Amino acid sequence: GENVEQHPSTLSVQEGDSAVIKCTYSDSASNYFPWYKQELGKRPQLIIDIRSNVGEKKDQRIAVTLNKTAKHFSLHITETQPEDSAVYFCAARRSGGSYIPTFGRGTSLIVHP
Amino acid sequence: GAGVSQTPSNKVTEKGKYVELRCDPISGHTALYWYRQSLGQGPEFLIYFQGTGAADDSGLPNDRFFAVRPEGSVSTLKIQRTERGDSAVYLCASSPDGTSGLIGTQYFGPGTRLTVL
Repeated sequence: GENVEQHPSTLSVQEGDSAVIKCTYSDSASNYFPWYKQELGKRPQLIIDIRSNVGEKKDQRIAVTLNKTAKHFSLHITETQPEDSAVYFCAARRSGGSYIPTFGRGTSLIVHP
Repeated sequence: GAGVSQTPSNKVTEKGKYVELRCDPISGHTALYWYRQSLGQGPEFLIYFQGTGAADDSGLPNDRFFAVRPEGSVSTLKIQRTERGDSAVYLCASSPDGTSGLIGTQYFGPGTRLTVL
C-alpha cells in the first residue's frame, strides 16, 4: 500500500518568515495530493490540493509543488502569521480502487509573533 | 450549508462497554469515510462507504469494530468490548463522489473524542 512520510514533525518560525513542509510517497499510481490544516481540537480542513498533471499550484500565501519523478510534494507558506500555527497533514491518493488517502503524520507549525 | 456533524463530541466509557458514534455527512454526499486519529498522528483510515454499502473496510482493526450506513446518509460506527487502546478521536468525512477519477474533496467532521477508562 501507500506510505507517506512527512517532515519535519515540528517547525518553528518567526512571523513573516516562510515555512516549507515536505512529504514523500511510495505509490507511483498516486495522483491526488491534498494538504489539510488542523487547529487544536478542530477538524482537518483542506487548504490546497494538487493533481499529478500539475507541477505547482498557488493560492495567495500558500503553494504546493509536486515532483512525480522523485515522488515528493511540498507545502510552502510565505509571510507566515500567528494564525497559521496549526498541525498540517499531507496525503496521497491513487486513482482507482477505494480512493482512500494515506495521511502523513503531521507537522506542527508554530509561528512566533 | 451545514457541514459534516458528529455526535457525541466526547464519549467517556469503561473498558468492556459498547459505544456508538454517529456521523451526519453533508447532504447529497455519496461517499463517507471513518478515520481514527491518535495524538500526534495523521488520520488512520477505518472504513469507506459508497452509498449504503461498505466499499472498503480494510482499515477496521478487528471484529470489535463495525459500521453501518443503512440509508446512504447517516453512519454509525460501533465498537464492542472497548479497550483502552481504542481511545482516540474518531473522524468522519464525506465526499460528493467516491468513485470518480475527479473525486471530490473530503470534508471532515469535528470528530468524537473517545476515552476508554
